[in-house]
Amino acid sequence: DTAVSQTPKYLVTQMGNDKSIKCEQNLGHDTMYWYKQDSKKFLKIMFSYNNKELIINETVPNRFSPKSPDKAHLNLHINSLELGDSAVYFCASSHVAGLGTYEQYFGPGTRLTVT
Amino acid sequence: GQNIDQPTEMTATEGAIVQINCTYQTSGFNGLFWYQQHAGEAPTFLSYNVLDGLEEKGRFSSFLSRSKGYSYLLLKELQMKDSASYLCAGSGGFKTIFGAGTRLFVKA
Repeated sequence: DTAVSQTPKYLVTQMGNDKSIKCEQNLGHDTMYWYKQDSKKFLKIMFSYNNKELIINETVPNRFSPKSPDKAHLNLHINSLELGDSAVYFCASSHVAGLGTYEQYFGPGTRLTVT
Repeated sequence: GQNIDQPTEMTATEGAIVQINCTYQTSGFNGLFWYQQHAGEAPTFLSYNVLDGLEEKGRFSSFLSRSKGYSYLLLKELQMKDSASYLCAGSGGFKTIFGAGTRLFVKA
């Protein structure tokens, strides 16, 4: 009965490759997020989606393309991977953020290593 | 601009009380959250404040002063398992800004 799940948990790939990370939540939430946590453990928001629509894009390079096929899923595709993309990527979800202030539930994270 | 500051590291003794402070300079925050993150794991929600004052949840309490841009997380009866990073986060609408986190070391 995992609330927010991500696959894969680990991803090791070479520069220039394209990779995807999948996220699913079974909490019935309408809002989903992608965060990047770098080696200094700083958690930075990348995207917010509400009911499949992009709400926030925090100046993320357009090599990163999120896709939400339905409100329970938010996937992240990364083109032309660079060394600086190495980090842990967390997916999260919450109730509709625009209608109030709600805590977020995080997935287990995907540790991406680009060599 | 939006900025959240918290101490980088703190050390405390098992059984003691520790207070982790967070100051923020931002507009548009309508809630201040605290999350706990153990090494190699995902952040988990601890507490949040929308109004000024103290919110108590078992061994954890959080305080907010909106006029001063200040919050703290109070951990009582510290246990070894409380060794983790504690993230202060401001939330406004669909955007949440996290501080860099405070690494708490609990020693016996």
